[in-house]
Amino acid sequence: GAGVSQSPRYKVAKRGQDVALRCDPISGHVSLFWYQQALGQGPEFLTYFQNEAQLDKSGLPSDRFFAERPEGSVSTLKIQRTQQEDSAVYLCASSLGAEQHIYEQYFGPGTRLTVT
Amino acid sequence: GQNIDQPTEMTATEGAIVQINCTYQTSGFNGLFWYQQHAGEAPTFLSYNVLDGLEEKGRFSSFLSRSKGYSYLLLKELQMKDSASYLCAVYDSNYQLIWGAGTKLIIKP
Repeated sequence: GAGVSQSPRYKVAKRGQDVALRCDPISGHVSLFWYQQALGQGPEFLTYFQNEAQLDKSGLPSDRFFAERPEGSVSTLKIQRTQQEDSAVYLCASSLGAEQHIYEQYFGPGTRLTVT
Repeated sequence: GQNIDQPTEMTATEGAIVQINCTYQTSGFNGLFWYQQHAGEAPTFLSYNVLDGLEEKGRFSSFLSRSKGYSYLLLKELQMKDSASYLCAVYDSNYQLIWGAGTKLIIKP
């Protein structure tokens, strides 16, 4: 079946603009994660959803970052007033169950955000 | 703080064997993952260890020693397509996945 998809794949934003990044998880997957990956680094956790509930947002770097998953499937990560340090690849991952540590995470291809 | 260490880059020859090490210091431990990531692509799952010992899966094996805070990924019969970054990640006591920076593996013919 289809894997995790993300759109857009590439986004260039001028500093101060708002952006919205979309993630379509694998159908039926309960858990959804957002990560930020800087060049040459591993992913860094941003936030976690179980269905529509955002259970952990401890990784969001500032209040400019906001994520939602209103119907428990598609998720959107919004970044307001983008700054240059927000430039990174934003990865979305989903996993089958609610027990997030039991199931492997399936990653989307990521959205590469460049803030100029 | 929490820390996962892996070599930045390794080079190996096609057909050979390579071992990529990972050491971790985390607040608690609830399992360790290895992921493969080709440049510009999503990480893909390779292995998961939660108990000590060796898990073998085809050409790839992963080893864990919880007492030493140590794991390795062993790749046998290397192929050119194995050129990628290999990421080690650990679930801490809060079940948050802590990632290493990855090891870039370069395979030469």
